[in-house]
Amino acid sequence: SQTIHQWPATLVQPVGSPLSLECTVEGTSNPNLYWYRQAAGRGLQLLFYSVGIGQISSEVPQNLSASRPQDRQFILSSKKLLLSDSGFYLCAWRAGHSPNYGYTFGSGTRLTVV
Amino acid sequence: AQTVTQSQPEMSVQEAETVTLSCTYDTSESDYYLFWYKQPPSRQMILVIRQEAYKQQNATENRFSVNFQKAAKSFSLKISDSQLGDAAMYFCASSYGNTGKLIFGQGTTLQVKP
Repeated sequence: SQTIHQWPATLVQPVGSPLSLECTVEGTSNPNLYWYRQAAGRGLQLLFYSVGIGQISSEVPQNLSASRPQDRQFILSSKKLLLSDSGFYLCAWRAGHSPNYGYTFGSGTRLTVV
Repeated sequence: AQTVTQSQPEMSVQEAETVTLSCTYDTSESDYYLFWYKQPPSRQMILVIRQEAYKQQNATENRFSVNFQKAAKSFSLKISDSQLGDAAMYFCASSYGNTGKLIFGQGTTLQVKP
């Protein structure tokens, strides 16, 4: 069966520090991968998505970047965090060739920038 | 561009009663998919129900059903026999194409009263 792992679960970082959030998927190959951010009590904003290794599409220009060094690994990074980067970050995957199978989400990372 | 709108920020229902959550969407695509996700206080995203746009029959999953009105671009969720465990934030979402970008509405917080 397929599983998705996302870590860390909680992170408190000072302004100006770097960030690295990691997401890995098991039990499938060539998944579509997504990073979302959710502000408190709000909807999910799509940040980045990837349909293959090294292929990254950005939806919202901002202080963050994403990379996909391996087929089932998706990393969200920042060189210098801003207060506005605080939020709940969710990774998700979907079978690339089967849009009707739905999307599976990781358990999320709560990031607080202080 | 795809947009998804949920006009009810908050809803409440009495336990065992029925409630309907509204959602409208806008897309120029002919082939797309619609979803309802549940986000309990744990913030884990849980797929409730999905609908393929090419199917006229409304999807049903146990106590959850949808009213899909393609011409009106409406996709409402009906929860029958509401239970305390149904209390959560509910998100309507749509996706299309090979990239499968999943676009979310702003969410509806559902309160279930005992």
